[in-house]
Amino acid sequence: DGGITQSPKYLFRKEGQNVTLSCEQNLNHDAMYWYRQDPGQGLRLIYYSQIVNDFQKGDIAEGYSVSREKKESFPLTVTSAQKNPTAFYLCASTPGQGNYGYTFGSGTRLTVV
Amino acid sequence: AQSVAQPEDQVNVAEGNPLTVKCTYSVSGNPYLFWYVQYPNRGLQFLLKYITGDNLVKGSYGFEAEFNKSQTSFHLKKPSALVSDSALYFCAVRDTRNTPLVFGKGTRLSVIA
Repeated sequence: DGGITQSPKYLFRKEGQNVTLSCEQNLNHDAMYWYRQDPGQGLRLIYYSQIVNDFQKGDIAEGYSVSREKKESFPLTVTSAQKNPTAFYLCASTPGQGNYGYTFGSGTRLTVV
Repeated sequence: AQSVAQPEDQVNVAEGNPLTVKCTYSVSGNPYLFWYVQYPNRGLQFLLKYITGDNLVKGSYGFEAEFNKSQTSFHLKKPSALVSDSALYFCAVRDTRNTPLVFGKGTRLSVIA
């Protein structure tokens, strides 16, 4: 079945460490997105990519980095510069131009220890 | 800039009663509007969308939503609530220029048996 796979489901980060969250899709979607979810704050956009080898900052990009070397993959790195990284991270994709909704992965819960 | 407001953090309803989850939006031009549902520690699942046409949109699991352009609202409704409808509901909007979806902060629906 087609879908989006996020891994790992749970991730623990030590202070000062960089960690990478994986997002892979087999839907042949052009556009991919990373959102951060905190209780009571909804979903906030971190980065998005509408085509391979191109990406744009969202509303809260500081302390994060991404790459889009392949259409299927859009990994998110949480760097040590992100001072409050504990959150639930959601990856999504959409075919691209048009009135499409998003397909979401099942999320990665990141905790700083 | 686009924005979404979900004025209620929590909605409680008795099983079998009708439910409404409110959403208002702000966008330049014509909106694309979406409702998603999230169960604990899961990604978001698509419920329904409004693109154009009939103001009453029918979606998954018996949900529907009414688009009201003059009130800039897109309230989610269901005639008879089930306990299994208890979840977190998100309204989202984007304009027609293929910008990323902007999400509301979410409304937690609790259906009591």
